[in-house]
Amino acid sequence: AQKITQTQPGMFVQEKEAVTLDCTYDTSDPSYGLFWYKQPSSGEMIFLIYQGSYDQQNATEGRYSLNFQKARKSANLVISASQLGDSAMYFCAMREGHSGGSNYKLTFGKGTLLTVNP
Amino acid sequence: DTAVSQTPKYLVTQMGNDKSIKCEQNLGHDTMYWYKQDSKKFLKIMFSYNNKELIINETVPNRFSPKSPDKAHLNLHINSLELGDSAVYFCASSQNTGGGYTFGSGTRLTVV
Repeated sequence: AQKITQTQPGMFVQEKEAVTLDCTYDTSDPSYGLFWYKQPSSGEMIFLIYQGSYDQQNATEGRYSLNFQKARKSANLVISASQLGDSAMYFCAMREGHSGGSNYKLTFGKGTLLTVNP
Repeated sequence: DTAVSQTPKYLVTQMGNDKSIKCEQNLGHDTMYWYKQDSKKFLKIMFSYNNKELIINETVPNRFSPKSPDKAHLNLHINSLELGDSAVYFCASSQNTGGGYTFGSGTRLTVV
């Protein structure tokens, strides 16, 4: 079974509008972390936002917010006021286990390609 | 000052050759990783090292051999390159006490 599912291979949004990128996860570990990364066409992996499983509030970073619904095991990324530079591949990822420790790899979803139209 | 640096950025080589990719991080992180991104953009863990010790080895062919001379460096050596090894290889690092993962800019390997 996939641990991270991103059901939207591609999404389109108009400039200045908000967009939600979906991510659901599967884990039986009570302690985990959820990450979103952006990969523009230049190829680098850019960290956007992090949500810990015990965090009471949804994470926010500038125009990025994470809609964390623990019971549904979803961690959707919301981008407000989209810009042309937001066009990129977006990856949801999960780390299972405590924040300490050395064997906590990131498991990635297959990504969503976001295109922002002018 | 680049946090996680990989060299080379591009690598084109013939089948059967042996090649290495180098990675260095100056963040003081304890753990380093190699990820492979295939042609469909899927990212998968290959290896992780913690303080020079191999922690994760995810069913990677033994033609791939990571080496960590110290906790700031994790190199990837690939023997007898095959066409299917063509991919982008990312180095990353993280701190054991939590926090995020910092990725290098990737090495695009093309085997011809």
